[in-house]
This record gives sequence, C-alpha cells and structure tokens, in this order.
Amino acid sequence: DGGITQSPKYLFRKEGQNVTLSCEQNLNHDAMYWYRQDPGQGLRLIYYSQIVNDFQKGDIAEGYSVSREKKESFPLTVTSAQKNPTAFYLCASRVQGGGQPQHFGDGTRLSIL
Amino acid sequence: KQEVTQIPAALSVPEGENLVLNCSFTDSAIYNLQWFRQDPGKGLTSLLLIQSSQREQTSGRLNASLDKSSGRSTLYIAASQPGDSATYLCAVDSAGGGNKLTFGTGTQLKVEL
Repeated sequence: DGGITQSPKYLFRKEGQNVTLSCEQNLNHDAMYWYRQDPGQGLRLIYYSQIVNDFQKGDIAEGYSVSREKKESFPLTVTSAQKNPTAFYLCASRVQGGGQPQHFGDGTRLSIL
Repeated sequence: KQEVTQIPAALSVPEGENLVLNCSFTDSAIYNLQWFRQDPGKGLTSLLLIQSSQREQTSGRLNASLDKSSGRSTLYIAASQPGDSATYLCAVDSAGGGNKLTFGTGTQLKVEL
C-alpha cells in the first residue's frame, strides 16, 4: 500500500534539545515537503526537496534543518534555535513538475515539556 | 507573492443542505488549484485538483470550479452529511512558485443532524 509515513505521532521536546521527525514515502516521488500548521492558520512551508541531495528553504526555515540522502526519506530536525516549536508538522510528496497533486502523511504533533 | 484567502472561516449547516466554500487567490499565473479535507489531528486528504486549463472537476457529491482570471475557486458540496464535517483547505500551485503550494487558512465545516 503506497503512502507517506510520519513518525512519531506525538513528540515532546525539552528546552535546548534537538529533535528529529521522520518522513518516509514509498510512492517513488522525487519531491518532498515539510509544512508547519498552527491553530487557525494555513500550512506554512519549512523546507522542500526536489531531488536527492538537494533541498531549498521555504518561508519559515529558521530553526529547522533537513537532509535528503535517500529518495524515500526526508527527515526534519527541529533545533534548539527554534524558540516556538509547538505545532503540527506535516510531510508531503509528489511527482516532480508543475500540475501534480501533493500527498500528505498523518502528521507529527510536537510539544514542549 | 501569492496569497490565498478562504471565506467563511467556519460554517455550520443542517444535514442535507447544499453548500459552497470559497477560495480566492491574488496571482492568476497558476498551474493548478487543489482542494483538501483535514479531519482533526490528521493529515490532508486530496479531494479535487483543477488544472489551470480546466473550469471544473467533479467527484461524487463534490464539484470544484475555477475562474482563473478572477482568482476564484468554489467547492460545492451537495446533500451534506455529518461525515462531511471537517476543515477544507484550498492550495494554489503558482507558475512562479518554485514547485510549491500556497495554502489558504481553511473553512471549518460542521454538518448537524
């Protein structure tokens, strides 16, 4: 069954700690995305990658880092520099090129301890 | 910079009513527009994608229209059911957007028995 798997579903971060959110897809999509969703707001783009070993900053990249060493994996690290990390994080992927739909995982909810 | 607005922010209707959700965008140079459904604490499920060359798309009780020149899209839901209760988001894939989506803030729909 093809899809996008995000883990964990819930994550808690202590002050000064870095945490990593996992995103794995078996859809053979080239492009992958990380979004942040806050209550009452739309999704905001953190980072995206259109090909392995390459990624670009989105609108709110400060305090976050990513890697894309494999086509199917796009982990997001929330660093201690991100002072307000509490949010719902969504990973998405799609076939490369304009006009293709994005597919989403079920999200990770990050909270501060 | 593309901006996407959804009105109303929240909507409550009795079961069986037909309803329309609105989405507007500021830059008409788009590849496509996508409508998503989001249940509480979940990821996004793609409902309909309209390419820029299309006027409408239909799936079951859902019909989405696109007027690119005026920067508007509507999602029509026929014979609403309690199971339709969710947040509905629209997202625009802009031609100058670098293969990224711009999301509206969503319409929270409640269909009451």
